Amino acid sequence: GAVVSQHPSRVICKSGTSVKIECRSLDFQATTMFWYRQFPKQSLMLMATSNEGSKATYEQGVEKDKFLINHASLTLSTLTVTSAHPEDSSFYICSARYYRDNNYGYTFGSGTRLTVV
Amino acid sequence: AQKITQTQPGMFVQEKEAVTLDCTYDTSDQSYGLFWYKQPSSGEMIFLIYQGSYDEQNATEGRYSLNFQKARKSANLVISASQLGDSAMYFCAMREGPGNYGGSQGNLIFGKGTKLSVKP
Repeated sequence: GAVVSQHPSRVICKSGTSVKIECRSLDFQATTMFWYRQFPKQSLMLMATSNEGSKATYEQGVEKDKFLINHASLTLSTLTVTSAHPEDSSFYICSARYYRDNNYGYTFGSGTRLTVV
Repeated sequence: AQKITQTQPGMFVQEKEAVTLDCTYDTSDQSYGLFWYKQPSSGEMIFLIYQGSYDEQNATEGRYSLNFQKARKSANLVISASQLGDSAMYFCAMREGPGNYGGSQGNLIFGKGTKLSVKP
């Protein structure tokens, strides 16, 4: 249980184009979705937190106009990388918090490897 | 200051032996949670084990156990009987505050990770 499906798993796009990454919670309602970015051989860095029905909260240094986050329903959150450039190439992964067995856990999507050429 | 510190960038262990991955944390909250995740080369994050700050017993999940020393603020992961499939990155993470919120947004804070290599 508590599965998050993330698509696409890999995407290659040209500089200047936009890419949308989707995360769907399959068997629970994700009121909060966290978006992380991970560079090679580094840790996960929180980019933003999206809450269903409200504006996302971005971490310091993350351009909100470049990384558009939409959380329109309890089961879907999207991250759109607008006007992508090679420096946006990275691994992006979403995570949702869920409540089960009197405890909170965190489940992750399988990640999206973005390459901008 | 780092909230989660993993001092071992890389570790080697012989197959079938036990290995301990270190993690220390820093928080002023009384209620918090500690997590360990495994990340193979495919990139997915696999949950391994959880320890709540009020849990009196060390958490165990199969071959994984968490050596929780609250006074030292350490939460080391012990993997017993290592297998070749255990080779991966391992991340220690913390949720500050009670489960229904944490930090500023309820997110997990990650350490830099330890790359574990199991030798046959």
